[in-house]
Amino acid sequence: GENVEQHPSTLSVQEGDSAVIKCTYSDSASNYFPWYKQELGKRPQLIIDIRSNVGEKKDQRIAVTLNKTAKHFSLHITETQPEDSAVYFCAAPKGVPGYSTLTFGKGTMLLVSP
Amino acid sequence: DGGITQSPKYLFRKEGQNVTLSCEQNLNHDAMYWYRQDPGQGLRLIYYSQIVNDFQKGDIAEGYSVSREKKESFPLTVTSAQKNPTAFYLCASSIDRTWGEAFFGQGTRLTVV
Repeated sequence: GENVEQHPSTLSVQEGDSAVIKCTYSDSASNYFPWYKQELGKRPQLIIDIRSNVGEKKDQRIAVTLNKTAKHFSLHITETQPEDSAVYFCAAPKGVPGYSTLTFGKGTMLLVSP
Repeated sequence: DGGITQSPKYLFRKEGQNVTLSCEQNLNHDAMYWYRQDPGQGLRLIYYSQIVNDFQKGDIAEGYSVSREKKESFPLTVTSAQKNPTAFYLCASSIDRTWGEAFFGQGTRLTVV
């Protein structure tokens, strides 16, 4: 089955710095990779996702890159702000399209200091 | 107002009692999921259902049971057989069986004393 490893577990940056979170996956058939953000006491929400027909996707200050050969994908946040502080989860599918679930990484707690 | 609703937000139970967590969605989604969240463990899949009257065990199904009698409802029962039931439980739904966005409820924090 799919195994998703996420690093680092915690990440502290100064406001305005960039933050990078990395995930590796094991199932070479996977081709959908979402990132979720969970603020303290709130539900996880999708912030960006990528499918394997592209190598990079951007949405304002966040971007995701995918390296299918190496089986890893990364979340990049530029010009970090205190409101970016949250736990971020990566995920990858387990199973074939049509009958699959998401396997999540263990999460990265991002702390952005003013 | 469309969404996925879990109730209650906080739940306390005595050890040895079964307890049922509610999850309702009005998004017309086919697929629904239950995850357990523990500190440092991420989200672990308990059960999922891709269609009414059908559900499958996830990675940590022991001590849990579910039903899917209606498309909009996917209740989770935490039984007395679950050894460490105290946790944060998240319900989610997605439009269908294909890979895409999962929408989460606000969660239920269960404390067993």
